[in-house]
Amino acid sequence: LAKTTQPISMDSYEGQEVNITCSHNNIATNDYITWYQQFPSQGPRFIIQGYKTKVTNEVASLFIPADRKSSTLSLPRVSLSDTAVYYCLVVRVNTDKLIFGTGTRLQVFP
Amino acid sequence: DAGVIQSPRHEVTEMGQEVTLRCKPISGHDYLFWYRQTMMRGLELLIYFNNNVPIDDSGMPEDRFSAKMPNASFSTLKIQPSEPRDSAVYFCASSWRWGDKGPYEQYFGPGTRLTVT
Repeated sequence: LAKTTQPISMDSYEGQEVNITCSHNNIATNDYITWYQQFPSQGPRFIIQGYKTKVTNEVASLFIPADRKSSTLSLPRVSLSDTAVYYCLVVRVNTDKLIFGTGTRLQVFP
Repeated sequence: DAGVIQSPRHEVTEMGQEVTLRCKPISGHDYLFWYRQTMMRGLELLIYFNNNVPIDDSGMPEDRFSAKMPNASFSTLKIQPSEPRDSAVYFCASSWRWGDKGPYEQYFGPGTRLTVT
């Protein structure tokens, strides 16, 4: 599976847009990019998933360039409740396994 | 649906004792996963089941760990004998099988915080 690299931590203020970039240089044709969010003392929660271009849902947007070697999770107008660890994962077709890295610890300040 | 249910939420035990963690997946899900999370090692996949059958247990740390899924609505993770280094948060997750548009999301339970003294 492609190894992912993302910043260890990021700080932001309420109301700002936050972009977390993940590098996955060795991504394969049959790999999907998935992001999970984990609040303290809770299990991870699925945020968004994509294969190419742009995906948007009610929580976030995911931007994937044509070469798919990186992806960017965009959180619009963050609030204090968005303080969490965000994991970028590469998931291969029909493998079912999720391999979590260290994630990015986002701290939102008032 | 109530989501993935895990019990107990907290467990404190002494070294050498047997520990059993329990999980009830979301009804209808085909897959069940057991994870362990520590500060040092992060979130690790221990084992997962498909239709009650263990598919991959390569993440199980050693023979002291065992997992079973006797039916579609129940799974256990057992540690015997327990050791202090087993102290961690253990998560259970479930999902449907892979779909046409990619992997289905995994739904995680609240976790069991295990402390072995």
